[in-house]
Amino acid sequence: GQNIDQPTEMTATEGAIVQINCTYQTSGFNGLFWYQQHAGEAPTFLSYNVLDGLEEKGRFSSFLSRSKGYSYLLLKELQMKDSASYLCAVLDSNYQLIWGAGTKLIIKP
Amino acid sequence: GAVVSQHPSWVICKSGTSVKIECRSLDFQATTMFWYRQFPKQSLMLMATSNEGSKATYEQGVEKDKFLINHASLTLSTLTVTSAHPEDSSFYICSARDITDDYNEQFFGPGTRLTVL
Repeated sequence: GQNIDQPTEMTATEGAIVQINCTYQTSGFNGLFWYQQHAGEAPTFLSYNVLDGLEEKGRFSSFLSRSKGYSYLLLKELQMKDSASYLCAVLDSNYQLIWGAGTKLIIKP
Repeated sequence: GAVVSQHPSWVICKSGTSVKIECRSLDFQATTMFWYRQFPKQSLMLMATSNEGSKATYEQGVEKDKFLINHASLTLSTLTVTSAHPEDSSFYICSARDITDDYNEQFFGPGTRLTVL
């Protein structure tokens, strides 16, 4: 079966750095997405990785290792507005998005 | 950037009535649109994949006769919840894939919150 694992909840302090991990086992791989979702809102796109390595975009970076079935989202200089759920999703061989359950990130002052 | 709209943003209806939700890609063409449902504190659940000009593909456990999907054009898909019941109350989100996008990214609409009394 297809499976994506990420921690249910994480807590971090404003100004700090946090890393949210995602491991996956899917039938095929055509890329991995990270989305941010605030409560009551639809997800918004953060990053896309299809090749191994680190993609940096401002305060957010995303890393992928296809051989390990592993990705992480790194958030730097945390702000209170970063409190949200972060969803990891993998595009499988049928170009269907397989979603993780999301990681709720709580930022404390 | 690619924009997807949904209408209505929220709807309250009586049990037994039908509700139609529209999903539009405003500045791009979408051969494929996806309908998701999300219950409080849970992740997105794919309900169906909608391809323009053909029948939707429903996920296991989703009743196709209850959740009618029509994708009549490259910019519009509709989801009709027929004979809605309180257990259908949820956050319904559509997404659309740009046919010219190499990344196969899905662009999400803002969602529709359905409350069935």
